[in-house]
Amino acid sequence: DAGVIQSPRHEVTEMGQEVTLRCKPISGHDYLFWYRQTMMRGLELLIYFNNNVPIDDSGMPEDRFSAKMPNASFSTLKIQPSEPRDSAVYFCASSPKERGDSGNTIYFGEGSWLTVV
Amino acid sequence: DQQVKQNSPSLSVQEGRISILNCDYTNSMFDYFLWYKKYPAEGPTFLISISSIKDKNEDGRFTVFLNKSAKHLSLHIVPSQPGDSAVYFCAASRRYTGRRALTFGSGTRLQVQP
Repeated sequence: DAGVIQSPRHEVTEMGQEVTLRCKPISGHDYLFWYRQTMMRGLELLIYFNNNVPIDDSGMPEDRFSAKMPNASFSTLKIQPSEPRDSAVYFCASSPKERGDSGNTIYFGEGSWLTVV
Repeated sequence: DQQVKQNSPSLSVQEGRISILNCDYTNSMFDYFLWYKKYPAEGPTFLISISSIKDKNEDGRFTVFLNKSAKHLSLHIVPSQPGDSAVYFCAASRRYTGRRALTFGSGTRLQVQP
């Protein structure tokens, strides 16, 4: 089974440019999460969706960040305009609707490494 | 306001010995706790979890202990192996109150020396 697929794996862009990160969740998963990892703040939640609907976007740093999930198999995280402080690893993750005592394990992609110069 | 804290950024142990990674949380609403392991250039992968109704969960070499009164959990790895060298993240959620997102600690880098 394919895991969570993210693209691009690496992106270097100039300050002020638009950046779009893409994610394909695991098929059949109802939840999709965007996390960001930095040295200073560790792994922080940006936004998550349930059945394509944004549930909590309180972690989105500012209006320059936006996320969409037009269908169950695709999501984007957009930064416009990008700034050097946005440099981080951005992880997409997905999770099934839990059944029984399976817990709410989430499954991560390999991450998109963003560098804004 | 860090709700999940891992106060030790790194830990080094000898192969075959026990590794103990610690995690503290402040939000009493958390009711489900997980440990994730992360290798460089990879995404975090799920390792083991525990519900707040339990105080111990074991899976092979990995055991997680939960002390609710102290708001503390720990991960024990026995015996430690060089392949266990990675960053370990503690995570918590309000699973039973419907919030599915995980709140992560800042991670502890474990190095197991051969």
